[in-house]
Amino acid sequence: DSGVTQTPKHLITATGQRVTLRCSPRSGDLSVYWYQQSLDQGLQFLIHYYNGEERAKGNILERFSAQQFPDLHSELNLSSLELGDSALYFCASSPTGTSGMHEQYFGPGTRLTVT
Amino acid sequence: KNQVEQSPQSLIILEGKNCTLQCNYTVSPFSNLRWYKQDTGRGPVSLTIMTFSENTKSNGRYTATLDADTKQSSLHITASQLSDSASYICVVSVVSGTYKYIFGTGTRLKVLA
Repeated sequence: DSGVTQTPKHLITATGQRVTLRCSPRSGDLSVYWYQQSLDQGLQFLIHYYNGEERAKGNILERFSAQQFPDLHSELNLSSLELGDSALYFCASSPTGTSGMHEQYFGPGTRLTVT
Repeated sequence: KNQVEQSPQSLIILEGKNCTLQCNYTVSPFSNLRWYKQDTGRGPVSLTIMTFSENTKSNGRYTATLDADTKQSSLHITASQLSDSASYICVVSVVSGTYKYIFGTGTRLKVLA
């Protein structure tokens, strides 16, 4: 158990809908990272927040947005969902905000299925 | 274009044998390289993290090497166990103003009894 929690575990929704995925980092960690893992694309970095501020952006679509709240939990909002958005969404946390040598601890993931 | 390529795509070995996984990258400017182990349906777990100045790093039966000149890394698994069956993912960090992570597609390892 990494100490990172993600809810819900599974989510099934229809195309065009909007969903929110939630992540609680390990106690004391200030950074939260979001990743998408689909069968045909592997893991992709979406976005990184540090202490409430956006730090880095990866291949995140404009239909997706994220935020980190004062209690350091984070939410990833996915809107106008398409079939291709079906994937595992992972959240990870680390103590600091740099891309240096600090480990990232991954949560168990949220499996999103868009029908 | 920043890319991370891993080989082989999949590998089957017998329990107790050693194996080596490869990672080649065309990423610049390079910050660090990480190897992760990912069990099916679970989040990745970090095995090693190396900067360009490090050649070798070990974590138990896992040893990663890095040649920053040739932009190649390898992950060597010694005396494999059934629990080593997983996907192994190489990730390179790019630093350019801000930073991002470039993931390889992974090597799927299966260890047979």
